[in-house]
Amino acid sequence: QQPVQSPQAVILREGEDAVINCSSSKALYSVHWYRQKHGEAPVFLMILLKGGEQKGHEKISASFNEKKQQSSLYLTASQLSYSGTYFCGTEGTSGTYKYIFGTGTRLKVLA
Amino acid sequence: DTGVSQDPRHKITKRGQNVTFRCDPISEHNRLYWYRQTLGQGPEFLTYFQNEAQLEKSRLLSDRFSAERPKGSFSTLEIQRTEQGDSAMYLCASIQGGWDTEAFFGQGTRLTVV
Repeated sequence: QQPVQSPQAVILREGEDAVINCSSSKALYSVHWYRQKHGEAPVFLMILLKGGEQKGHEKISASFNEKKQQSSLYLTASQLSYSGTYFCGTEGTSGTYKYIFGTGTRLKVLA
Repeated sequence: DTGVSQDPRHKITKRGQNVTFRCDPISEHNRLYWYRQTLGQGPEFLTYFQNEAQLEKSRLLSDRFSAERPKGSFSTLEIQRTEQGDSAMYLCASIQGGWDTEAFFGQGTRLTVV
């Protein structure tokens, strides 16, 4: 089952904050976050692992609640360059490396 | 290391024709993934390889779709008897190791079936 993201879309002014949520129906080992701009490939932002380890960009933070099978991406003091579609990615099946992406969240930052 | 490359970037074909896309992953990346993406949607899993072995294939991948990764290097995705519903962006990603490392995506091949 594809992870469900919320909100589906959000519009911000520069400098405002946003939170994007990702919810899975299955137990997770790790969660990845990617940003995709129109017509471009997804670009890596962050990995969150069981046990709290994080790997990613300094200006972007995220949380991973293993019990609730949820992850949230926090975008603070948004910039115009943050505009794009954000996807979470998770393993589809335990014990394999099948990897599926969430439904996506469109973010637009206005000047 | 030049990243993941896909060829062609764009393909327009007539319904019923066969098409083949190529993906060259980052060298020595052992896992390679194919996804299909339609406008406004998340990448949809199609199949993946570990080295040359195709380990899983989505139920969405009908028998008109086939993928190969000979010698564990580049990969090809072929669609036979294309239909208008096949129109989408086809993305390839490669990764070295497990999912505690970053996946690298190619620019994708945009297929339009007319």
